[in-house]
Amino acid sequence: GAGVSQSPRYKVAKRGQDVALRCDPISGHVSLFWYQQALGQGPEFLTYFQNEAQLDKSGLPSDRFFAERPEGSVSTLKIQRTQQEDSAVYLCASSFSRLSSYNSPLHFGNGTRLTVT
Amino acid sequence: KNQVEQSPQSLIILEGKNCTLQCNYTVSPFSNLRWYKQDTGRGPVSLTIMTFSENTKSNGRYTATLDADTKQSSLHITASQLSDSASYICVVRGGATNKLIFGTGTLLAVQP
Repeated sequence: GAGVSQSPRYKVAKRGQDVALRCDPISGHVSLFWYQQALGQGPEFLTYFQNEAQLDKSGLPSDRFFAERPEGSVSTLKIQRTQQEDSAVYLCASSFSRLSSYNSPLHFGNGTRLTVT
Repeated sequence: KNQVEQSPQSLIILEGKNCTLQCNYTVSPFSNLRWYKQDTGRGPVSLTIMTFSENTKSNGRYTATLDADTKQSSLHITASQLSDSASYICVVRGGATNKLIFGTGTLLAVQP
């Protein structure tokens, strides 16, 4: 596609529910990142994929957060037993190059705004 | 601790005026510095990427400067337009894990 696509655009979940957020990166992009952005803050790193391999998940805040990219393209971020503190915008970004290509630009999607009530 | 700090937090200017946004960082080692524009409800869009050896880089009405010695960067916007209203985020790649470290952004409002 023309850009990184994320769905749903908005998600409201009751505390304790599981949610799944989808990211369609730009076709052919090797690297895929998930970020969490609280209101008025900059994005915080969650996890990184190089093709289908999850090379870094050090930013995932708890074991309730799980991400996958089984075929090296579409990725899903799953949050189990959602809590109010999970409310944030979840941004997905992709890059043509591997993480080791330091100067490659990141292309962000428009995010999924998750509200946990 | 690797940090990126931006100032001012918010800024209001009149259409047609120029403005300069500041970014100070303590990230070491340093790989590159990026400026992103984030419209409300949208994802960040890359404006510039600067490496250690680059002092200035332009993208249309946006000009970024980098002083790697003092670990400071600025983003200058010339002849502002209403569509420049957005959050401008400074991002530094570096540190022991060479990750992107985001600042909290400067919220710019351009008024007619």
